[in-house]
Amino acid sequence: NAGVMQNPRHLVRRRGQEARLRCSPMKGHSHVYWYRQLPEEGLKFMVYLQKENIIDESGMPKERFSAEFPKEGPSILRIQQVVRGDSAAYFCASSPTTQGGKDGYTFGSGTRLTVV
Amino acid sequence: EDQVTQSPEALRLQEGESSSLNCSYTVSGLRGLFWYRQDPGKGPEFLFTLYSAGEEKEKERLKATLTKKESFLHITAPKPEDSATYLCAVQGGGAQKLVFGQGTRLTINP
Repeated sequence: NAGVMQNPRHLVRRRGQEARLRCSPMKGHSHVYWYRQLPEEGLKFMVYLQKENIIDESGMPKERFSAEFPKEGPSILRIQQVVRGDSAAYFCASSPTTQGGKDGYTFGSGTRLTVV
Repeated sequence: EDQVTQSPEALRLQEGESSSLNCSYTVSGLRGLFWYRQDPGKGPEFLFTLYSAGEEKEKERLKATLTKKESFLHITAPKPEDSATYLCAVQGGGAQKLVFGQGTRLTINP
């Protein structure tokens, strides 16, 4: 079991470009969560998705950010027209149930986005 | 609004020196309190889930306890490899999201 796979591990974008972050959940997990960790800050919830559905996007900025989890393929977090303040580590987590299961929510290694 | 506060922010111990990390929380209807370990440049690694006051869980040198207002992560006779940031999070009410504290950065000196 490969765990939660995120790619790329590091991503550099110029201001105004688009960033696409990918997350493949653990096998058998149908719940995906995205979190953002700004420098010197804690993890903040962004969005919760199930296959083809956004369940809770209360933590997503209203503009430029979107997420999807298609029927086939990984979950994608998309940031349009990136700004320096978007520089952060973005983590994806997955779970088999909404309670996290007996092993909690499994996190990936993250994508570190740097906007120059 | 659910809230988690961890203390201290940073803690330095000598190898073998036991101590405790604190996680104070306010939540509407606790569904679970989670402890994670995070190493630099990596994602959080699951340690424990506690569901109700009075519950305790242990894993190697770590023991987590839970009351109605706080949780403690006790570390007994730590080793340098226990150095990491320890994160506490709560899941409350009908939400699926986790609300995290800022973490405690633990350093164990040999």
